[in-house]
Amino acid sequence: QKEVEQDPGPLSVPEGAIVSLNCTYSNSAFQYFMWYRQYSRKGPELLMYTYSSGNKEDGRFTAQVDKSSKYISLFIRDSQPSDSATYLCAMSSSVNAGGTSYGKLTFGQGTILTVHP
Amino acid sequence: IAGITQAPTSQILAAGRRMTLRCTQDMRHNAMYWYRQDLGLGLRLIHYSNTAGTTGKGEVPDGYSVSRANTDDFPLTLASAVPSQTSVYFCASRTDRGTDTQYFGPGTRLTVL
Repeated sequence: QKEVEQDPGPLSVPEGAIVSLNCTYSNSAFQYFMWYRQYSRKGPELLMYTYSSGNKEDGRFTAQVDKSSKYISLFIRDSQPSDSATYLCAMSSSVNAGGTSYGKLTFGQGTILTVHP
Repeated sequence: IAGITQAPTSQILAAGRRMTLRCTQDMRHNAMYWYRQDLGLGLRLIHYSNTAGTTGKGEVPDGYSVSRANTDDFPLTLASAVPSQTSVYFCASRTDRGTDTQYFGPGTRLTVL
């Protein structure tokens, strides 16, 4: 079983729709929860990050974390064609390896979103 | 510049050849990472560096090596490329603000024939 599960979609919505993207996870040690947006042939771009359960809003984007259910969501309001991209959830943890530790991000598979005019 | 740059943007390489992918950041972040992204497998960590002078192995380190001579540069070397190393490679750095967020470069698309 993967530590992070994300529905790969694809998801196709009309312009102006509310989009809901979701990830579930199994590792209780995850600390920070992030959403990245990746346009075709580009690098992942950090959209939002959260630490605690609850909602965090940034413009048209709202990130939601429910640690009790091990579930995170990203909502996009008034979606635009420019929002068409792959959305990746990511979760951070500290890994001990060979006497040292490092900060690790565990990614979901990504959800492909298309917003059509 | 602001952020991470990677070079080359893309490369076609014959199997058995040696190749170094370059990564430079100007954010003065201590921690840096190399990932590969493959369809169906997502982003997988190859190597990491917590600070200049130190490196460590990630999930898929075989066939790759890294060095970290200074804070800004983190090159990834394929000593003898094989077709299974065909992938898109991303370099990333992590903020020192304690939020664990990582910032990614634009990627290098590598094809090994």
